[in-house]
Amino acid sequence: ILNVEQSPQSLHVQEGDSTNFTCSFPSSNFYALHWYRWETAKSPEALFVMTLNGDEKKKGRISATLNTKEGYSYLYIKGSQPEDSATYLCAPVGGGYQKVTFGTGTKLQVIP
Amino acid sequence: DAGVIQSPRHEVTEMGQEVTLRCKPISGHNSLFWYRQTMMRGLELLIYFNNNVPIDDSGMPEDRFSAKMPNASFSTLKIQPSEPRDSAVYFCASSLMGIAGELFFGEGSRLTVL
Repeated sequence: ILNVEQSPQSLHVQEGDSTNFTCSFPSSNFYALHWYRWETAKSPEALFVMTLNGDEKKKGRISATLNTKEGYSYLYIKGSQPEDSATYLCAPVGGGYQKVTFGTGTKLQVIP
Repeated sequence: DAGVIQSPRHEVTEMGQEVTLRCKPISGHNSLFWYRQTMMRGLELLIYFNNNVPIDDSGMPEDRFSAKMPNASFSTLKIQPSEPRDSAVYFCASSLMGIAGELFFGEGSRLTVL
């Protein structure tokens, strides 16, 4: 089983604060790294799929960076809004496991 | 455009009964994934297909579970016989570029086995 760690497990931030969370994964045989946003009672929605070391992707106020050599990715949210409240999942592909394996996620609550 | 379509949305059945979950991927997508969401394990991959061929079924819990993809527009996940511990939300997802592409998820099928 691919070892995926996401931290923190949960956090609360005030509206307008910026925040970030971490996804750690084995760096060997890296292939791709997925980020998803999962709102309660809905289905996961893709944010980014990243493949290159040093890559940075952005979608509105959300951005992500990737370090494949040390095995981590950061997700940043600038100026958090209540509608950003969701669980953010990362899913690395690699380490000899050619499949999309999800971490347990970081649950974000943005307080108005 | 229609997204991934799953049916039924909700299923309540009794232990020992056969359960069949269905999925229609997005047209043109070449990969299909079945995931199960539980409180204990989060979102776990059961099986995925590429061009209708099962690539990895190592996540299928046991012989009671089986999945098929007879053509590019339809897949089934069958549980026979069902047990209470199979109660979960089952998600189907499809991708245009296999494991390197974004997964588009259906709304899920909530299964309750009494």
